Amino acid sequence: DAKTTQPPSMDCAEGRAANLPCNHSTISGNEYVYWYRQIHSQGPQYIIHGLKNNETNEMASLIITEDRKSSTLILPHATLRDTAVYYCIVRSSYGQNFVFGPGTRLSVLP
Amino acid sequence: SAVISQKPSRDICQRGTSLTIQCQVDSQVTMMFWYRQQPGQSLTLIATANQGSEATYESGFVIDKFPISRPNLTFSTLTVSNMSPEDSSIYLCSVEAGAHEQYFGPGTRLTVT
Repeated sequence: DAKTTQPPSMDCAEGRAANLPCNHSTISGNEYVYWYRQIHSQGPQYIIHGLKNNETNEMASLIITEDRKSSTLILPHATLRDTAVYYCIVRSSYGQNFVFGPGTRLSVLP
Repeated sequence: SAVISQKPSRDICQRGTSLTIQCQVDSQVTMMFWYRQQPGQSLTLIATANQGSEATYESGFVIDKFPISRPNLTFSTLTVSNMSPEDSSIYLCSVEAGAHEQYFGPGTRLTVT
């Protein structure tokens, strides 16, 4: 079973920030938080990952709480092309498979 | 990063037949994974395929139904055998590349009639 819980769906206005929450209250000290997204009919796409510190890349920012029991993925200026299912996954080590939960279906509205 | 291609991209097959799906990577990778995504569902891991060893199957998946080959570090195949309509899904391969990322292929959309 997935170790994370996410809201099933969210809406966001185009141009606004999309904040996608994820709870991972049973995360272990050596587990990383990963975010992937799946645009309709495509394979999942890596977005970002982190262990303890907040992370930012060209796609998004990842905010991890100090107790590491939850995190938020931030898309700073959502576009219609960001409409997708977003998966939050925890994984401990290289080579271990990803366990996908149902994810959050983000709809970016014009 | 890694670029992954899959063949075929989609197929419609008769029940009782078999289909072999190919996964090609543009770089050498040790670990490859095969996933299934049933209609409206999330991804489920079928098996892990490492070059030079037998594939490791997850609970609910067996080698007779989903035989896997991994002849080298850039290629793998998954066969869906003796197909039934319940096998209609998207089948995806992924590879471990870099320190933390897995990259996924575009998927093979299979419809069994």
